[in-house]
Amino acid sequence: DAGITQSPRHKVTETGTPVTLRCHQTENHRYMYWYRQDPGHGLRLIHYSYGVKDTDKGEVSDGYSVSRSKTEDFLLTLESATSSQTSVYFCAISERGRGRVTSTSYEQYFGPGTRLTVT
Amino acid sequence: AQSVTQPDIHITVSEGASLELRCNYSYGATPYLFWYVQSPGQGLQLLLKYFSGDTLVQGIKGFEAEFKRSQSSFNLRKPSVHWSDAAEYFCAVGSSGGYQKVTFGTGTKLQVIP
Repeated sequence: DAGITQSPRHKVTETGTPVTLRCHQTENHRYMYWYRQDPGHGLRLIHYSYGVKDTDKGEVSDGYSVSRSKTEDFLLTLESATSSQTSVYFCAISERGRGRVTSTSYEQYFGPGTRLTVT
Repeated sequence: AQSVTQPDIHITVSEGASLELRCNYSYGATPYLFWYVQSPGQGLQLLLKYFSGDTLVQGIKGFEAEFKRSQSSFNLRKPSVHWSDAAEYFCAVGSSGGYQKVTFGTGTKLQVIP
């Protein structure tokens, strides 16, 4: 299994409070992703990173920010949590091969998830 | 824009029976296709992938999938289901671009009865 950890694994917080979720990898992969998983929606991309300090928005980025100061860490921050952000959050990593793109460029490996409840 | 449809939200099969989970995709060029499995309370695990070449691909845990371009489908199959296969299965399509964008379907939950 890919070395990906997420912390915390469970969190309950109140509306309006800031929350930071951490993803840590030991694979030295360049790409890192944050998804949220909700019933009936599958996985939806929040933000992704293609290198240290290089990040971009996904399809559901409103209300979220990210930072990546080291290759191994990718942080997701909810500046002011809302009940609609109650979800399970997954981090994923992938590595684009040097030169020609191959199938392994797209293989994503997932962390165990963080269950966040906003009350 | 790429998209993935998994028309079956929930499927129940008997242990030992065969299984087919449906997946249809929409993408303008040759897609990269994946099946992932998620056990309760865990992250997603890659079962198999199609990139190019042979349209019948083999994966882990005895699963296989067939890419049919004419039908825009990538159905997952297993000849004999085991109780441990009970999980949620996600089909995904990847596209080239500025980054490896992968779009996931909404999932099919598999229940296995003895």
